[in-house]
Amino acid sequence: GAVVSQHPSRVICKSGTSVKIECRSLDFQATTMFWYRQFPKQSLMLMATSNEGSKATYEQGVEKDKFLINHASLTLSTLTVTSAHPEDSSFYICSARRTWERALLYEQYFGPGTRLTVT
Amino acid sequence: QQQVKQSPQSLIVQKGGISIINCAYENTAFDYFPWYQQFPGKGPALLIAIRPDVSEKKEGRFTISFNKSAKQFSLHIMDSQPGDSATYFCAASLASNTGKLIFGQGTTLQVKP
Repeated sequence: GAVVSQHPSRVICKSGTSVKIECRSLDFQATTMFWYRQFPKQSLMLMATSNEGSKATYEQGVEKDKFLINHASLTLSTLTVTSAHPEDSSFYICSARRTWERALLYEQYFGPGTRLTVT
Repeated sequence: QQQVKQSPQSLIVQKGGISIINCAYENTAFDYFPWYQQFPGKGPALLIAIRPDVSEKKEGRFTISFNKSAKQFSLHIMDSQPGDSATYFCAASLASNTGKLIFGQGTTLQVKP
């Protein structure tokens, strides 16, 4: 399977600071990446769809000014949590979409996740 | 119409038994149905996936059964092992909608030795 990495795996930050999380597709190019948030014992909640070279599409209820997404290359997307607060503490997971056959066939691979704790 | 409903919420199986997890969807336009396995503190790992042009796909001990008319699909884990104990998520997506996944609620599987 394809490999997606995330960095950092864990981060602790103080309330009011910003944190950047990187997501990389290591062995394929991904025009589309996704960012999820997961609370304990719950399913994954899609936050936004990130397309290379264009603005991210945010899901309803997700603050775009708080969760800044940049997809500057075909292998890298970043999520910046701005002015973080304790309620932003969560497990953030990215995924990258690998396509072939003119994008008619595709699979989605997830990164290992980033545990964010805001104190 | 975008929902994917997954059951059961939790499942306990004896080692060597068959684990069965079911999912149902509404949107008949979905064209990709993956299953993911997630261990605590880790990201989901793609386990097996199926497209609606086939009714069954098998990879090792894992089999997806797909019933297009009933809008249901299921994961069967044969000869379940303690190492299979994890949370399993079904999902569905649509190529024309960026391929974003609609996830089921998840099933926590415990395989007893």
